[in-house]
Amino acid sequence: DVKVTQSSRYLVKRTGEKVFLECVQDMDHENMFWYRQDPGLGLRLIYFSYDVKMKEKGDIPEGYSVSREKKERFSLILESASTNQTSMYLCASSFGSYRASEKLFFGSGTQLSVL
Amino acid sequence: GENVEQHPSTLSVQEGDSAVIKCTYSDSASNYFPWYKQELGKRPQLIIDIRSNVGEKKDQRIAVTLNKTAKHFSLHITETQPEDSAVYFCAETGNTPLVFGKGTRLSVIA
Repeated sequence: DVKVTQSSRYLVKRTGEKVFLECVQDMDHENMFWYRQDPGLGLRLIYFSYDVKMKEKGDIPEGYSVSREKKERFSLILESASTNQTSMYLCASSFGSYRASEKLFFGSGTQLSVL
Repeated sequence: GENVEQHPSTLSVQEGDSAVIKCTYSDSASNYFPWYKQELGKRPQLIIDIRSNVGEKKDQRIAVTLNKTAKHFSLHITETQPEDSAVYFCAETGNTPLVFGKGTRLSVIA
């Protein structure tokens, strides 16, 4: 069974801190994604990656960056956390070639609170 | 995908009744339409999907229909049970990452 693991379930940070959210998948998936989930707004794509060292902006990339140095790991970075970045962050991965439409496997999420 | 509208945002049904959730999209290039279920406190999971070369797909009590001309697709759950209570998300894509609807909170009342 595919496993997508996010390093923290809950995280509390201060405004202005640099925050790292880590995601690891164990099924050799090419594609990895970071979504943000807010009540009433659904799932919004922050960044995605179709290959190692490759990254593309999603719909709401402002205030975020990502890193994919290894195929199995995709990190989301908040350079200077702000209160409007308080949210549930979901990592996902999928199998397939570039831009293939395939099933997403989600991590259990990180609930980030920025105070 | 560009944008997907999902309705209703909340839905309450009696156990045993049917539930229908509808989504509309705008990108004529969209060709893949999955539905995800998220139970309280858990991760979203794929429950059914459909590709543009078919009009309907069924899996036990769950079915999805697609009308490409009208650019809408729907999730149908028959004989609802309490464990169907969850938030359901539709999504669509052509050759870009999935675009999700805002979700429907389904409550099945015993």
